[in-house]
Amino acid sequence: SYELTQPPSVSVSPGQTVNITCSGDKLGDKYACWYQKKPGQSPVLIIYQDSKRPSGIPERFSASNSGDTATLSISVTQAMDEADYYCQTWAGGTAVVFGGGTRLTVL
Amino acid sequence: EVQLLESGGTLVQPGGSLRLSCGVSGFVFSDYAMSWVRQAPGKGLEWVAGITDNGDATYYAESLRGRFVISRDNSKDTVDLQMNTLKADDTAVYYCAGVDSRGSYSNAFDIWGQGTMVTVSS
Repeated sequence: SYELTQPPSVSVSPGQTVNITCSGDKLGDKYACWYQKKPGQSPVLIIYQDSKRPSGIPERFSASNSGDTATLSISVTQAMDEADYYCQTWAGGTAVVFGGGTRLTVL
Repeated sequence: EVQLLESGGTLVQPGGSLRLSCGVSGFVFSDYAMSWVRQAPGKGLEWVAGITDNGDATYYAESLRGRFVISRDNSKDTVDLQMNTLKADDTAVYYCAGVDSRGSYSNAFDIWGQGTMVTVSS
């Protein structure tokens, strides 16, 4: 079965840029998307189709997808960005696959 | 305003059954393929099952196939998840989530409910 691998945790200082990776076999051949999830809240779509932002998502969030790795970048990181981030794609066109999630800590 | 409201979560004994329901409003339900996604305590998101916008096809996580059944009623704007032979490992918050079948977000889940808690324990 298809798997997506994310680092369990990353940390960043306020105002800095942080990258969160998501790895999967030939992931670049698929569309990847990213969700932000805070405790007690529902997931929020922050990136779709590899690099597009839904309306209302700050420009500080950007992403790319190539080869085996999709990367979410958060620039000028703020305390409010502290959350769990999940990448997601579709395998075989009918099965949804989530990465294990990355906890972002803003120190 | 788009709203998805899950219901039916409760404490159930191992081996028991439970039916979750998700009622929606604020958008054209038949434009959306729907899924159930769960998050066990301290764990990540796990896709459970999905159903196409018109209900003609269903899909399941391999590990859950045969125990869970997803269905929808486009006349009532609801999507359900029938869960059978429940195990302790099924303890989780269950979210309903939607994908715009028109491709607005390239098959990403752009709408989510607030979740309902299912606890499987004796």
